[in-house]
Amino acid sequence: SQTIHQWPATLVQPVGSPLSLECTVEGTSNPNLYWYRQAAGRGLQLLFYSVGIGQISSEVPQNLSASRPQDRQFILSSKKLLLSDSGFYLCAWNGQPLANYGYTFGSGTRLTVV
Amino acid sequence: GNSVTQMEGPVTLSEEAFLTINCTYTATGYPSLFWYVQYPGEGLQLLLKATKADDKGSNKGFEATYRKETTSFHLEKGSVQVSDSAVYFCAMNRDDKIIFGKGTRLHILP
Repeated sequence: SQTIHQWPATLVQPVGSPLSLECTVEGTSNPNLYWYRQAAGRGLQLLFYSVGIGQISSEVPQNLSASRPQDRQFILSSKKLLLSDSGFYLCAWNGQPLANYGYTFGSGTRLTVV
Repeated sequence: GNSVTQMEGPVTLSEEAFLTINCTYTATGYPSLFWYVQYPGEGLQLLLKATKADDKGSNKGFEATYRKETTSFHLEKGSVQVSDSAVYFCAMNRDDKIIFGKGTRLHILP
């Protein structure tokens, strides 16, 4: 069966420090992968998605970047964190076709920038 | 454009009350429709889905029917429990992505 792993679960980082969040999927190949952010008390914002190795689409210009170095690995990064980067970060993948399966989400990373 | 609109919360109900959370969508064509649930501190879980008009999705006592004529996918449950307290997101698929509503926070009082 397919599983998705996200880590770390919580992270407290100072302003200006770098960030690396990792997401991996098991039990499937060539998944579409997504990074979402959920600010406190607000909805979901799509940050990046990827349909294959090295293929990244950015939805919102910002202080973050994403990479997909391997088929089932998706990394969210920042060189210098801002206070506004605080939030709950969720990784997701979808079964094919998307219309039938929707997304499967990881358990999330709560990032607090101080 | 493509969008999902759901009722704003929070919604507060007593245990065993009837629940309705309204959701409407705007889209070209006929998307699949989803309800996701997010329990405190967790990621989102798929609650139910419907892939075509008049389909009814159901799970854990929740139901929603895909109404093409009213472009709606309202979530219902006949008798809510305290454990149903969570945030509920209505969503649809478009162009390899899922578009989410803003979420409705549900509080169930014992």
